[in-house]
Amino acid sequence: DTEVTQTPKHLVMGMTNKKSLKCEQHMGHRAMYWYKQKAKKPPELMFVYSYEKLSINESVPSRFSPECPNSSLLNLHLHALQPEDSALYLCASSQDLGGLMNTEAFFGQGTRLTVV
Amino acid sequence: AQRVTQPEKLLSVFKGAPVELKCNYSYSGSPELFWYVQYSRQRLQLLLRHISRESIKGFTADLNKGETSFHLKKPFAQEEDSAMYYCAPPNRDDKIIFGKGTRLHILP
Repeated sequence: DTEVTQTPKHLVMGMTNKKSLKCEQHMGHRAMYWYKQKAKKPPELMFVYSYEKLSINESVPSRFSPECPNSSLLNLHLHALQPEDSALYLCASSQDLGGLMNTEAFFGQGTRLTVV
Repeated sequence: AQRVTQPEKLLSVFKGAPVELKCNYSYSGSPELFWYVQYSRQRLQLLLRHISRESIKGFTADLNKGETSFHLKKPFAQEEDSAMYYCAPPNRDDKIIFGKGTRLHILP
């Protein structure tokens, strides 16, 4: 299995709702990532997990809360979002953190989130 | 910080014409640069990496240290090459980040 699977594919939520995005990979990768992508823009890094521990938070608002329950799963909990948070949310994984050696990231199809 | 510049937001090329997508980097050493591609309604995926020196889907990219460039090239464009292309630099902070991207539009 060489895929990163994200659910749901589409999500519409109100500003008072609580929802979660899920991401799964079975490639034995030790690093996992959340990105936010607005239309016609590159993906913006939000969070990085390494060996199930949060290693990077790119100053993301607390209404986004990541969680890594085990080495194959990554969640993004959403609460009290704003309409401007509407975007495509991408999950990715890589064998390890690449640093200056760089490393290939495998991406999921994304969750298209609309906040109303 | 390790950064790349993709100067063109949009590049329109006729089918069968050569393609060159530009990527310039601004740091020293031998950077391990990647090109990613995002086709419409498909996931973002690695296209090729500097160190492999291979050709993928007819695309090649050569690291030019003198010009600090890692341009993506293909001699004859095909309609299925229409996509967003992102140059991705290495990052000492373990972040996988991307240039601003170039949208390649192949004209029939």
